Amino acid sequence: AQTVTQSQPEMSVQEAETVTLSCTYDTSESNYYLFWYKQPPSRQMILVIRQEAYKQQNATENRFSVNFQKAAKSFSLKISDSQLGDTAMYFCAFMTPTGNQFYFGTGTSLTVIP
Amino acid sequence: DAGVIQSPRHEVTEMGQEVTLRCKPISGHDYLFWYRQTMMRGLELLIYFNNNVPIDDSGMPEDRFSAKMPNASFSTLKIQPSEPRDSAVYFCASSSRGDYGYTFGSGTRLTVV
Repeated sequence: AQTVTQSQPEMSVQEAETVTLSCTYDTSESNYYLFWYKQPPSRQMILVIRQEAYKQQNATENRFSVNFQKAAKSFSLKISDSQLGDTAMYFCAFMTPTGNQFYFGTGTSLTVIP
Repeated sequence: DAGVIQSPRHEVTEMGQEVTLRCKPISGHDYLFWYRQTMMRGLELLIYFNNNVPIDDSGMPEDRFSAKMPNASFSTLKIQPSEPRDSAVYFCASSSRGDYGYTFGSGTRLTVV
């Protein structure tokens, strides 16, 4: 069974600063996909970034980037130049290609302080 | 595309009443998922469909919950009778094989009093 662990229930960061959210996972699969979703107060789940396990290069989307360490089963999200609109709950998720099912972490609540 | 559309956005009902939540997936997506989100349990997969056929309903909490997908553009999640512990946000999501990642609807916040 796959598990996803987010060990930081809450975090805060000053506007314009950089923050890193942690995620670890456990799986026996060799090929899989990892995601970060953002859930702002509007409760809409928004895909932030995704990473294919077979790609060594870390994914980047504008101010968002990941540090994917496959051997350590770690998948952290770095947000650069934090903005007030980044205030949200962030969920790490794991998916196997064959299962077509997501396993979500418990989330990290991020607050950007003006 | 308008994305995954859920209705209603909010629902308040009395214990014992029947509740029906609705979802329209993205056109062309052949997977549809129903999730429930609570503070205590986080995001839980209730059931998912592939090509309108239920594939895994092991997450459905009990017989009071049922889900249908009569065609590729519509799905319902029904709770009958509803109980206060069913209060949660219910999300519908859809995806297409080869397009890795879900698109979520905006959710239905259900309150059972």
